[in-house]
Amino acid sequence: GQNIDQPTEMTATEGAIVQINCTYQTSGFNGLFWYQQHAGEAPTFLSYNVLDGLEEKGRFSSFLSRSKGYSYLLLKELQMKDSASYLCAVSGATNKLIFGTGTLLAVQP
Amino acid sequence: EAGVTQFPSHSVIEKGQTVTLRCDPISGHDNLYWYRRVMGKEIKFLLHFVKESKQDESGMPNNRFLAERTGGTYSTLKVQPAELEDSGVYFCASSFQGIPEAFFGQGTRLTVV
Repeated sequence: GQNIDQPTEMTATEGAIVQINCTYQTSGFNGLFWYQQHAGEAPTFLSYNVLDGLEEKGRFSSFLSRSKGYSYLLLKELQMKDSASYLCAVSGATNKLIFGTGTLLAVQP
Repeated sequence: EAGVTQFPSHSVIEKGQTVTLRCDPISGHDNLYWYRRVMGKEIKFLLHFVKESKQDESGMPNNRFLAERTGGTYSTLKVQPAELEDSGVYFCASSFQGIPEAFFGQGTRLTVV
């Protein structure tokens, strides 16, 4: 079967660093995506990993280990506006995305 | 540049009625996807168009759902007749051919009562 697991909720403090983990088991793999979604808005693309290693983009970084079926999203210098749902998704054989249930991140002052 | 737009943003219909959702992808995007999120669950794939052709419709729940993309531009998703379990948020996404990044619309929240 196909399964993507990520924590349901996380809380962090403004200015801190938070790591959101994602593990996956899928029948095909064409890359792993992280999306950010604020309530009532469209999911917004954050990052894409297809090879092992770390991809850095400003305050956000994403890591992938294909052998372990594992990824994480790292958010640095947290801001209040980072409070949102973070969706881990794997692109399968036909490029359709398989999503996890999302991690709701609450950033507190 | 306009993003992916979906219409309507909300729809409340009675069980047994018909509803048509529309998605306008980003201009030039050959790939168009429909996804659905039922309350409390993850976003799930429904189908994928490449231009006007259905590439993968393995996620369509049943034959009450019909998707079209005439001319390879905008797409419609019709639910007929709607059932209570069809309630959820329907997302559309589009991307360039060969580019992995998909852009999502804000979704249509469908409530069947």
